[in-house]
Amino acid sequence: QKEVEQNSGPLSVPEGAIASLNCTYSDRGSQSFFWYRQYSGKSPELIMFIYSNGDKEDGRFTAQLNKASQYVSLLIRDSQPSDSATYLCAVIGDTGGFKTIFGAGTRLFVKA
Amino acid sequence: KAGVTQTPRYLIKTRGQQVTLSCSPISGHRSVSWYQQTPGQGLQFLFEYFSETQRNKGNFPGRFSGRQFSNSRSEMNVSTLELGDSALYLCASKTGGKSYNEQFFGPGTRLTVL
Repeated sequence: QKEVEQNSGPLSVPEGAIASLNCTYSDRGSQSFFWYRQYSGKSPELIMFIYSNGDKEDGRFTAQLNKASQYVSLLIRDSQPSDSATYLCAVIGDTGGFKTIFGAGTRLFVKA
Repeated sequence: KAGVTQTPRYLIKTRGQQVTLSCSPISGHRSVSWYQQTPGQGLQFLFEYFSETQRNKGNFPGRFSGRQFSNSRSEMNVSTLELGDSALYLCASKTGGKSYNEQFFGPGTRLTVL
């Protein structure tokens, strides 16, 4: 089992719709959770982080964390073509000295 | 505040050679992590340095090594290059001490091994 799993996609949504990206992790003691956006040929860019159970909203982005289910998600409201990118879920676990483990990423396409 | 910088941005080497990549973190950041990104394997953690000490290490062979200087700048070295070492090498920095500190990536060094 991979430590951090994401559906590789591609996920295709129409412009203006809600895009829902999901991530599960195996280390139950994980403490910190991050979402990065990576455009083709560019480096990852941090867009959200969440540490506590529940929802965290920042503009059009909402991160949701459920530690009991070991699940973290990212919702993008009013999706725009410029949101088309690969979204990487990253988790800092409780073991191994707090290494950041990345999922393989989900490719999102927003159709105009 | 300036972001994370990496040099060089592109490198072409041949098998058997060695290479050194450099990373300058955001001012005030004491932790520097290195990652290898390839289409097949995704983003793989190499190692993390904090206050000149290696704090974490990923599952890479000993040909991959690194160090950090007193000004928090870091270098990564790969010896005896193999074709499979062709990748985007990313450096990320964070303030350091806390596990939940978010990290910020540099633009990467694209290494091609021929």
